[in-house]
Amino acid sequence: AQSVAQPEDQVNVAEGNPLTVKCTYSVSGNPYLFWYVQYPNRGLQFLLKYITGDNLVKGSYGFEAEFNKSQTSFHLKKPSALVSDSALYFCAVRDDQGGKLIFGQGTELSVKP
Amino acid sequence: DAGVTQSPTHLIKTRGQQVTLRCSPISGHKSVSWYQQVLGQGPQFIFQYYEKEERGRGNFPDRFSARQFPNYSSELNVNALLLGDSALYLCASSLWGGERTEAFFGQGTRLTVV
Repeated sequence: AQSVAQPEDQVNVAEGNPLTVKCTYSVSGNPYLFWYVQYPNRGLQFLLKYITGDNLVKGSYGFEAEFNKSQTSFHLKKPSALVSDSALYFCAVRDDQGGKLIFGQGTELSVKP
Repeated sequence: DAGVTQSPTHLIKTRGQQVTLRCSPISGHKSVSWYQQVLGQGPQFIFQYYEKEERGRGNFPDRFSARQFPNYSSELNVNALLLGDSALYLCASSLWGGERTEAFFGQGTRLTVV
């Protein structure tokens, strides 16, 4: 069965510093991986996806993610964090039947000035 | 461009009542999915519809049902509400139901059962 894990409940970063939000996955076939961000009392916003090809995927708002097949990881990164990046981040994988998204528990990112 | 729209945004119901949540997908999108997000957790899949047919169902009781209309909008119905049904209900639309397509989410309906 497909699954993702986000090992950190919370990540704290100073504004201007690089940030990393970790995600590991377990799949039975090809991994189709996604990152979403959720601001308080809002729905999820799509950031980026990995389907195939380059291991470094670029997305919205300056975010990127690095796919690593040997480590079964898909970490979200940004070179310089903004206070406005503070939010809840979810990693997700598509079910191997192509339907549902399976989400991790989420990581709360806090960026301090 | 209009995104995924859900109504209502907030709802308070009493235990045992029934509720209907509504979703309009992005224009041109034919697949709609519903998710339940309990506070402090990731969204959990409830249903997926594509071209008006149910394509997947999550591990939810039969009190939960849904349908998709010819214009691709969708409704989620929950009968005999329990306190544990209190959650943010999210609707997501995608072009089609395939594994490579990203889903776009609405702002959600916050359901409180008292």
